[in-house]
Amino acid sequence: GQNIDQPTEMTATEGAIVQINCTYQTSGFNGLFWYQQHAGEAPTFLSYNVLDGLEEKGRFSSFLSRSKGYSYLLLKELQMKDSASYLCAVSDNDYKLSFGAGTTVTVRA
Amino acid sequence: IAGITQAPTSQILAAGRRMTLRCTQDMRHNAMYWYRQDLGLGLRLIHYSNTAGTTGKGEVPDGYSVSRANTDDFPLTLASAVPSQTSVYFCASSDSPGGQETQYFGPGTRLLVL
Repeated sequence: GQNIDQPTEMTATEGAIVQINCTYQTSGFNGLFWYQQHAGEAPTFLSYNVLDGLEEKGRFSSFLSRSKGYSYLLLKELQMKDSASYLCAVSDNDYKLSFGAGTTVTVRA
Repeated sequence: IAGITQAPTSQILAAGRRMTLRCTQDMRHNAMYWYRQDLGLGLRLIHYSNTAGTTGKGEVPDGYSVSRANTDDFPLTLASAVPSQTSVYFCASSDSPGGQETQYFGPGTRLLVL
């Protein structure tokens, strides 16, 4: 089976940096996705990593280490609108996505 | 531009009743998916379709069926609803079933089975 772990909740202050970790053990690996989901809404795509290293997109960056089965999503210069759940998902051998339970980030003024 | 639409937005259903959740996309994506999202469990794949005319079982298919008669539509049917099927259901699509393809999600259907 697939096992994807991420923290349940994190709290940070506006303007700060937060790092959300994700560890995975899956049957094969064809890439790792991060999605953002605001309460009551659909998940929306943030980033995709298939090779080791850091991918930067504005205030958001995502890192992958395939040998360690580890990824993190880094949110910089936090804004109130960043309060949401962040979902880690791994594409397995069958190209199906397995999702972690999500990390709820609360940004405080 | 609609993307993916789902209907109904929410529904209260008596146990034992039959229910079809509708999903339509206008992006001409080949692959479509149905997930359920439950608190503390994350999104779990119910069924998928890599292309029109084909379907496959995901992680939690029992009690659900799907069909893919054309590219745009991917309905999910609960033949006889049970309370454990209370959940938020998301439909998604991607250009192809490949592992690098981003999935785009519909707004969800909130289902309560009593």
